[in-house]
Amino acid sequence: NAGVTQTPKFQVLKTGQSMTLQCAQDMNHEYMSWYRQDPGMGLRLIHYSVGAGITDQGEVPNGYNVSRSTTEDFPLRLLSAAPSQTSVYFCASRPSGSYEQYFGPGTRLTVT
Amino acid sequence: EDQVTQSPEALRLQEGESSSLNCSYTVSGLRGLFWYRQDPGKGPEFLFTLYSAGEEKEKERLKATLTKKESFLHITAPKPEDSATYLCAVQTGNQFYFGTGTSLTVIP
Repeated sequence: NAGVTQTPKFQVLKTGQSMTLQCAQDMNHEYMSWYRQDPGMGLRLIHYSVGAGITDQGEVPNGYNVSRSTTEDFPLRLLSAAPSQTSVYFCASRPSGSYEQYFGPGTRLTVT
Repeated sequence: EDQVTQSPEALRLQEGESSSLNCSYTVSGLRGLFWYRQDPGKGPEFLFTLYSAGEEKEKERLKATLTKKESFLHITAPKPEDSATYLCAVQTGNQFYFGTGTSLTVIP
């Protein structure tokens, strides 16, 4: 199993550009989440999904969109990038009935 | 407001010098408290889940405990490979709240 994979590993955007961060898992987990990690702030939940077709907002959802068309994939879309979205983004998944989250390796995003 | 606070921010230990990391929390409807290890440039790695006050979990040199207001991660006789950032998180509903972590350095 590859576990949770994220692409790209690094990305630089200009203010106003849009992009999609990819996340995939091959463990057939129902729950998937996106977090951002900033210095001194800890990991903060952006959006999460409890299954295909079902998504909900986390603590800091503004400026981000998600969709979940398959169990395996959970992309995160930045609609119009802003410097405040410079961060490291982590995707995580967990099976139903368990609270143990498996994290991907992260995407480091810089918005100039 | 749900909140998770970890202390200290950083800790330097000599190899073999035992110590404890603290995680205090104020949340409504706690469903679980979690400890993760994070190495530089990598995603967090799950260590423990604690569900109720008085519960304890152990793994190698690590032992996690839980009270009604805080959790401790005890590190016994640490080795240099234990150097990492240790994150605490709590769950309420489907939301997870993380602390800012304790950066542990174990010196040979």
